[in-house]
Amino acid sequence: GQNIDQPTEMTATEGAIVQINCTYQTSGFNGLFWYQQHAGEAPTFLSYNVLDGLEEKGRFSSFLSRSKGYSYLLLKELQMKDSASYLCAVMDSNYQLIWGAGTKLIIKP
Amino acid sequence: IAGITQAPTSQILAAGRRMTLRCTQDMRHNAMYWYRQDLGLGLRLIHYSNTAGTTGKGEVPDGYSVSRANTDDFPLTLASAVPSQTSVYFCASSDDGNNEQFFGPGTRLTVL
Repeated sequence: GQNIDQPTEMTATEGAIVQINCTYQTSGFNGLFWYQQHAGEAPTFLSYNVLDGLEEKGRFSSFLSRSKGYSYLLLKELQMKDSASYLCAVMDSNYQLIWGAGTKLIIKP
Repeated sequence: IAGITQAPTSQILAAGRRMTLRCTQDMRHNAMYWYRQDLGLGLRLIHYSNTAGTTGKGEVPDGYSVSRANTDDFPLTLASAVPSQTSVYFCASSDDGNNEQFFGPGTRLTVL
């Protein structure tokens, strides 16, 4: 079956760095997405990786290793507004997104 | 409007009733999707449409139907609601099947 695993919850301190991991097993691979979802709101796109390596976008970076079925989202200089759930999703061979359950990130002052 | 809108924002429905959730986008995206989001689970795809006039079944299609008469609208119908369909429903669109998806604000549905 298809499976996306990510930690349920993480806590970090304002101004610090946090890494959210995602491992996947899917039928085919056509890219990996990270979305941010604040409580009670819709998911919003953060990043897309289809080749191995690191993609940097401001305070956020995303890494992919296809051979290991592994990705991480790195958030630097954490701000209180970064408190949200972070969703990992993989596009399978049918170009459908398979979603992880999300990681709830709690930022403490 | 800009983006995707959904209606209603929330709804309480008696079991056995028919309900249509509306979704409209003004980005001229070809592909549209319906997901449900339940606590502790990832988003699950109900139905999708790659272009106007075509639809397909996702991971959890039973009890739901969709239509795509034009590019902008993608309504989701529950023919006879059951309590297990209590969830938050998100509509999404993308300009191509393998690009980022843009989400509507969601509909919170409670079936009693």
